[in-house]
Amino acid sequence: GAGVSQSPSNKVTEKGKDVELRCDPISGHTALYWYRQRLGQGLEFLIYFQGNSAPDKSGLPSDRFSAERTGESVSTLTIQRTQQEDSAVYLCASSPSGRRTDTQYFGPGTRLTVL
Amino acid sequence: SQQGEEDPQALSIQEGENATMNCSYKTSINNLQWYRQNSGRGLVHLILIRSNEREKHSGRLRVTLDTSKKSSSLLITASRAADTASYFCATLNQAGTALIFGKGTTLSVSS
Repeated sequence: GAGVSQSPSNKVTEKGKDVELRCDPISGHTALYWYRQRLGQGLEFLIYFQGNSAPDKSGLPSDRFSAERTGESVSTLTIQRTQQEDSAVYLCASSPSGRRTDTQYFGPGTRLTVL
Repeated sequence: SQQGEEDPQALSIQEGENATMNCSYKTSINNLQWYRQNSGRGLVHLILIRSNEREKHSGRLRVTLDTSKKSSSLLITASRAADTASYFCATLNQAGTALIFGKGTTLSVSS
């Protein structure tokens, strides 16, 4: 079956513009995660969705970042008024139920470059 | 903040040699996972070891966990050029809602 997909694969934008990144999780997975990875670094958690529960937004770095998820399907991560420090690879992952022992399945990521 | 810290940061070996990467973490854990990343993009889950396990095998991979030292190691035996990648250990945050990753070990296997 299809894995996690993300679009676009690459995005170049100018400082101050808004961007939207999309994630399609594996069908049937109730949990969805967004991470950010700066060059040469590990992944930083951004936000977590689990079913109809309130999302865990504790990793969002500023109020310029927001994310939505429609039911148990597609999620979009929006970055408003982008800054150069937002340049990174944004990775989405999904897992079957969000249990602590679940494997998270990652998408290929969106490489965002802010000029 | 980062939970896991991998060591070494970079490792270069010849095909056929074994590669050992270490990971230290700070807080108590339910389990620890190792992931592999090729070319700075998507991650692939390699293995999960639970806090009550000391060693686990999967193919050419061997993972150990020492909860008293808060450390884990990943051993890749008989390495291949295709093993060239970055390897990350990860543990769950306290809420159990997200993985916390270290900076990773970059492994380069030359043929």
